[in-house]
Amino acid sequence: RKEVEQDPGPFNVPEGATVAFNCTYSNSASQSFFWYRQDCRKEPKLLMSVYSSGNEDGRFTAQLNRASQYISLLIRDSKLSDSATYLCVVNMRGRDDKIIFGKGTRLHILP
Amino acid sequence: EAGVVQSPRYKIIEKKQPVAFWCNPISGHNTLYWYLQNLGQGPELLIRYENEEAVDDSQLPKDRFSAERLKGVDSTLKIQPAELGDSAVYLCASSLGSSDGEQYFGPGTRLTVT
Repeated sequence: RKEVEQDPGPFNVPEGATVAFNCTYSNSASQSFFWYRQDCRKEPKLLMSVYSSGNEDGRFTAQLNRASQYISLLIRDSKLSDSATYLCVVNMRGRDDKIIFGKGTRLHILP
Repeated sequence: EAGVVQSPRYKIIEKKQPVAFWCNPISGHNTLYWYLQNLGQGPELLIRYENEEAVDDSQLPKDRFSAERLKGVDSTLKIQPAELGDSAVYLCASSLGSSDGEQYFGPGTRLTVT
């Protein structure tokens, strides 16, 4: 099993719809989690951190399920400008700190 | 506040030639990362510095890649000699904390090896 796995998509979603995608991780020692957004031919930018209690920022909600070892990102009332690749990041602290990026999920919001 | 600066933005070289990339992190950020990103993939860590110390270089192909961060500020990543498979985007990122998931990325250097 890969350390961090994401459905590559693309997810083609009509404007205004709600879309959700998950990211699974293999190492139960993983301690912190993040979602990044990457526009085409641009650098990744931090979208939000994922806390154990969940995290909401406007139309975006991130959740963590430690028992099943996945994090999720929910986008409500999607906008055309939400079209991007969403990267899941898992930070494993311990003897060997590791930060692992997923391959990303491509999202296309359709007008 | 200035973000992470990288240069050059684009580089085209022939195989077997050397190439170097430069990164200046956000002021005050002690941790600096070099990543490689291929099309359709997520960034893959090459090396992580805390100040001037390389604390994780396990994924750096040391036969041809080298990096330095003298004085714990800006950093240089070098490839010598370059191979066709090295064509990718090389991203630099920095963070306040050590091994921090909250990173700030530069615009990257797009390398094409012909």
